[in-house]
Parts: sequence; C-alpha cells; structure tokens
Amino acid sequence: GDSVTQMEGPVTLSEEAFLTINCTYTATGYPSLFWYVQYPGEGLQLLLKATKADDKGSNKGFEATYRKETTSFHLEKGSVQVSDSAVYFCALSDLANDYKLSFGAGTTVTVRA
Amino acid sequence: GAGVSQSPRYKVAKRGQDVALRCDPISGHVSLFWYQQALGQGPEFLTYFQNEAQLDKSGLPSDRFFAERPEGSVSTLKIQRTQQEDSAVYLCASSAMRTWDGGVKLFFGSGTQLSVL
Repeated sequence: GDSVTQMEGPVTLSEEAFLTINCTYTATGYPSLFWYVQYPGEGLQLLLKATKADDKGSNKGFEATYRKETTSFHLEKGSVQVSDSAVYFCALSDLANDYKLSFGAGTTVTVRA
Repeated sequence: GAGVSQSPRYKVAKRGQDVALRCDPISGHVSLFWYQQALGQGPEFLTYFQNEAQLDKSGLPSDRFFAERPEGSVSTLKIQRTQQEDSAVYLCASSAMRTWDGGVKLFFGSGTQLSVL
C-alpha cells in the first residue's frame, strides 16, 4: 500500500539555522502530499500541501516541492525560530479513497535560542 | 467552539474495561475522521463519517472498536474489552467539504491519550 518514510529525529538546531526534513513516498500513482505540524499541547495542523508533480507548497517560511522523479517532498526552512519547535509529519492521501491520509512517523525539531 | 474538542484528555483503563471517547467537531463540518497514534508513530486512519453515515471503517483494528455519529455532529469512539495494545492517542479530525479532494484542510483535535493497564 501507499506509505511515507520521513527522516528520523530528533533534530536540534540553533536559531536562524537552515532546516531540512526528508520525506519520500511510495504510491502507485500521484497522490497529494502534505506536511502537518504539531506544536506542544496542540492538535495537528496543516502546514502546507502540494497536489501534483512540481507543485511547491509554502507557508510560514516553510517550503516543500513535489518531486515525482525522486518520489520526495522534503520540507525546508531557511532560518528557523524557537517557535518552530514542534513535531513535523509528512503525509499523503490515498489515491483510491482520497479522504484517507497515510502519515510518516514524525520528526521532532527543537530550536535553541 | 473554535476548534475540534475531544474528551477526556487522558483516560486510564484496566484491561477488559470498556471506554468511550468523545469528539465535538467544528460546527457545520460535514466530514469527521478518527485516527489512532501509537507512541513514536504517525497517526493511522480508523474511520470516516460524512454527516451521520459511516462511509469507511476499514481502519478499525478489531470488532471491539465501534464508532458512531448519530446526529451528524458529535462522534463517539467506543472500545470494548480494552487490551494493552489499544494504548495510544486517539485523534479526531473534521473538515467542511462533502468530498475530500486533497485540497481541503483537516482540523485535528488534541486527542485522547488512552492508557490500558
């Protein structure tokens, strides 16, 4: 079945450092791809998405590009802040039942001042 | 309310007990989802409602798990005869659209953390 593999954490960075979290997927077609973020004590929330190849999703300084040739959707931010400390989940939507999301295991990111 | 509300926030059950977990979606949201998140893992799909109709329950791990949404708003996930492997965070999410086209936001609650002793 469809699945997502994302970079294991935890990741610890200093403020203003560059962040990248790798995500690759396995699917029989071209699913929609997502990054969700979970801040401490809060529910998961959508960070960004891309619905077709070469699309770039962006939000709050984060970006990810849907790469069909490498089946990847890596998350990047050029200059992180302490407030970016959270758990980040890569996900895809099932092609047959597109309301169903498959998530990666999550990457914990801690940004130090 | 402003967001998806789940209760209780924490639940401790003895093995063999029945539990009921509640989800209040955002008012007017047609679609409602339940996910299970084991420690250190990503959420896994359990079931999906559109209004009061349960359209997909393929992710429910066994017949001990039952979900309902009788009036198309509040939903309850019930687990009978709980086992230790049921220990997880149970997440509820809702969305406004009738169909999920990949471009619609899911709004998640903070979850109920279930511990079965």
